[in-house]
Amino acid sequence: EVQLLESGGGLVQPGGSLRLSCAASGFTFSSDAMSWVRQAPGKGLEWVSGISGSGGTTYYADSVKGRFTISRDNSRNTVYLQMNSLRVEDTALYYCAKDRKVYEYWGQGTLVTVSS
Amino acid sequence: EIVMTQSPATLSVSPGERVTLSCRASQSVSSNLAWYQQKPGQAPRLLIYDASTRATGIPASFSGSGSGTEFTLTISSLQSEDFAVYYCQQYNIWPPGTFGGGTKVEIK
Repeated sequence: EVQLLESGGGLVQPGGSLRLSCAASGFTFSSDAMSWVRQAPGKGLEWVSGISGSGGTTYYADSVKGRFTISRDNSRNTVYLQMNSLRVEDTALYYCAKDRKVYEYWGQGTLVTVSS
Repeated sequence: EIVMTQSPATLSVSPGERVTLSCRASQSVSSNLAWYQQKPGQAPRLLIYDASTRATGIPASFSGSGSGTEFTLTISSLQSEDFAVYYCQQYNIWPPGTFGGGTKVEIK
């Protein structure tokens, strides 16, 4: 059974940093791309970032490019999202999702609140 | 960036009714379109991909159609558990895989 468990969310001031983690199980982690998708409170879904199975290729939404960094540790079956220079508009529930473009498996999300 | 527009924003429906949700792309996305269902407090659930292929475990009451710029999700007979928000997502021009704003299906 595929399981994705996010952690690392919390309250941070504008300009601050957070690192999100997503621990995966139930599939061959290194074979699959992984993605982060976020949802602002009461709003729709927004793709944030993706990474290939090897970690060699990364992708970012324009809204986070230069501020967020996605990475993975295939020995720990974990994908990360390092978020720097956080803005109020980054406040959202951040979901980890399996695969690059179409997401059959999602975690339950970790909430990031950016506020002074 | 391709803009996905869903209509209507809210749909009030009685249980047992047939429901048709619309999704329009600002340019052709071929058949590279997915539909998701999201209930309050839950992660999205993949229903349909490649415009018309049901995901694993999705009942036949859900069907998708369309190609190019116009797509529909049909629920043949709405059950109580189907009241939710539905999102379409294109992945033809990727990144980014853009989502529509969602259609909320509520009880009439």
